[in-house]
Amino acid sequence: DSGVTQTPKHLITATGQRVTLRCSPRSGDLSVYWYQQSLDQGLQFLIQYYNGEERAKGNILERFSAQQFPDLHSELNLSSLELGDSALYFCASSVPRGEAFFGQGTRLTVV
Amino acid sequence: DAKTTQPNSMESNEEEPVHLPCNHSTISGTDYIHWYRQLPSQGPEYVIHGLTSNVNNRMASLAIAEDRKSSTLILHRATLRDAAVYYCILRDFLGAGGTSYGKLTFGQGTILTVHP
Repeated sequence: DSGVTQTPKHLITATGQRVTLRCSPRSGDLSVYWYQQSLDQGLQFLIQYYNGEERAKGNILERFSAQQFPDLHSELNLSSLELGDSALYFCASSVPRGEAFFGQGTRLTVV
Repeated sequence: DAKTTQPNSMESNEEEPVHLPCNHSTISGTDYIHWYRQLPSQGPEYVIHGLTSNVNNRMASLAIAEDRKSSTLILHRATLRDAAVYYCILRDFLGAGGTSYGKLTFGQGTILTVHP
């Protein structure tokens, strides 16, 4: 158990819909990272937050947004969903300059 | 981000040592070398990291070339549980320009198969 909790574990939704993925980091970790893993793309970095502020942005689509709340949990919002958004979404957390701990992921299926 | 090059796949027998190579010829002075692995159906897992000197921990050893342009992850006795995708990643801890502080950029990694 990495200490990073992601909910839900599985999500099935229809095209055009909007979903929210939640991540609770390890206690004391200020950094939260979001990654997308699809079969043909590997692990793609989406976005990083540090203590509530956006710190780094990867190839995150405009339809996707994220935020980190004062209690340090983070949410990834995916809207206008397309079939190609079906993937595993991982959240990770770390202390500054520390190793990253990953959650078990949320498997999103868009039908 | 500085890039790494790893073999697509490697095979090993159980209880034998495994040497997983990684080339990173464009590494900068502030890049740490990190290794993560991903077991099937799980999130990535930290293995080891180092800057210049060789490093050991309970999971593995990391051998870093003197010029830092390559490194090798060593699993001393492979077990079936070590079958995973191994990622070699350069992580800039000084966050050049404030845009890459702490993020991990994953490549394709090396698929390690361990035979009984």
